[in-house]
Amino acid sequence: QQQVKQSPQSLIVQKGGISIINCAYENTAFDYFPWYQQFPGKGPALLIAIRPDVSEKKEGRFTISFNKSAKQFSLHIMDSQPGDSATYFCAASMPRNNNDMRFGAGTRLTVKP
Amino acid sequence: GAGVSQSPSNKVTEKGKDVELRCDPISGHTALYWYRQSLGQGLEFLIYFQGNSAPDKSGLPSDRFSAERTGGSVSTLTIQRTQQEDSAVYLCASSSGRGNRDTQYFGPGTRLTVL
Repeated sequence: QQQVKQSPQSLIVQKGGISIINCAYENTAFDYFPWYQQFPGKGPALLIAIRPDVSEKKEGRFTISFNKSAKQFSLHIMDSQPGDSATYFCAASMPRNNNDMRFGAGTRLTVKP
Repeated sequence: GAGVSQSPSNKVTEKGKDVELRCDPISGHTALYWYRQSLGQGLEFLIYFQGNSAPDKSGLPSDRFSAERTGGSVSTLTIQRTQQEDSAVYLCASSSGRGNRDTQYFGPGTRLTVL
């Protein structure tokens, strides 16, 4: 049962463009939504995260937009750079539950110079 | 201190053999997770350890998979009688164990290939 659906599976963007990755969740009990970035040969690393009490969180070129009513959240990468080329995973977790992090299937982003 | 480390980084084995994968979490982290990442797939939860509590084994795909964590630190994931469908990258992560918003710190993974 996939509780977090992520799209697109792959994305190609020109340098300087905006990369947008979308995720939708089913369980309204989720209360924490992180995004992880994974470079080839490395483990995923936390990039940015949001709680459902805010609609947007921005850190540098990375922004999470959160729509609680639609049960959707997205990652926007502004001024995309070749160094941003990686696989991005959205995730969602339950309150008080360390072991209930649900990951999306991942998006492979390629930023062309 | 150092991050999460895993060994070996690559493992090639023959179908039917047993394999052991090791994870060294960040010192002081009480929570430890194992995930499986198949080609083009997301992260599939396998097992979770939290302190001295009984592990959550709900993600283990079959009884050929088992894991233990000795002394609340190092963990070993064992796959018995490996099958070709077990080929994947096995990732270990650890966190402070304080709550669901803890950052999970991942190791580089072990790439398992079953011939």
